[in-house]
Amino acid sequence: AQSVTQLDSHVSVSEGTPVLLRCNYSSSYSPSLFWYVQHPNKGLQLLLKYTSAATLVKGINGFEAEFKKSETSFHLTKPSAHMSDAAEYFCVVSDDINNFNKFYFGSGTKLNVKP
Amino acid sequence: NAGVTQTPKFQVLKTGQSMTLQCAQDMNHNSMYWYRQDPGMGLRLIYYSASEGTTDKGEVPNGYNVSRLNKREFSLRLESAAPSQTSVYFCASTFGQGLINEQFFGPGTRLTVL
Repeated sequence: AQSVTQLDSHVSVSEGTPVLLRCNYSSSYSPSLFWYVQHPNKGLQLLLKYTSAATLVKGINGFEAEFKKSETSFHLTKPSAHMSDAAEYFCVVSDDINNFNKFYFGSGTKLNVKP
Repeated sequence: NAGVTQTPKFQVLKTGQSMTLQCAQDMNHNSMYWYRQDPGMGLRLIYYSASEGTTDKGEVPNGYNVSRLNKREFSLRLESAAPSQTSVYFCASTFGQGLINEQFFGPGTRLTVL
């Protein structure tokens, strides 16, 4: 069975410093992986996705993630945090069973950006 | 395109009352999902519909029922609301059919059961 572990429930950074949000997954075969962002009282918005093409994936708003199969990781990074990045971030793994996409969510990481 | 829409946005119920949460998508997606979101627990799957005419239980189905009314609409019903069902509910959809694509989410329904 698939599962996702987000290693930090809260991360706090200063504006202008790098962001690292960690995600590890377990999967019995090649997964598809996603990062979503949720701003307060909003729905979830896709940041980026990995679907077995390039291992370094670029997303919106300067975020990127690297798929490392040997480490079963898909960490999210951004070189320089902005105040508007303060939100909750979810790592998601998906598989296709009998032509149906099932998605497994991590428990989320809340990013706080200090001025 | 409106994407995924949900109604209502907010609802307060008393214990034992019933209600239906509505969800519609205009992206011609085959698969639709209902999740609940509670603090520190991410999103948990309540029910899903792989394609029009099919529904199946997810991780936390107790106390809920669903109807896939047509390809566009997927409703979630609480027959007898309980305080444990206080949560934020999200509907999502994806194209499905063997292609791994991202889910698109609605804005959510914030439900409080007193």
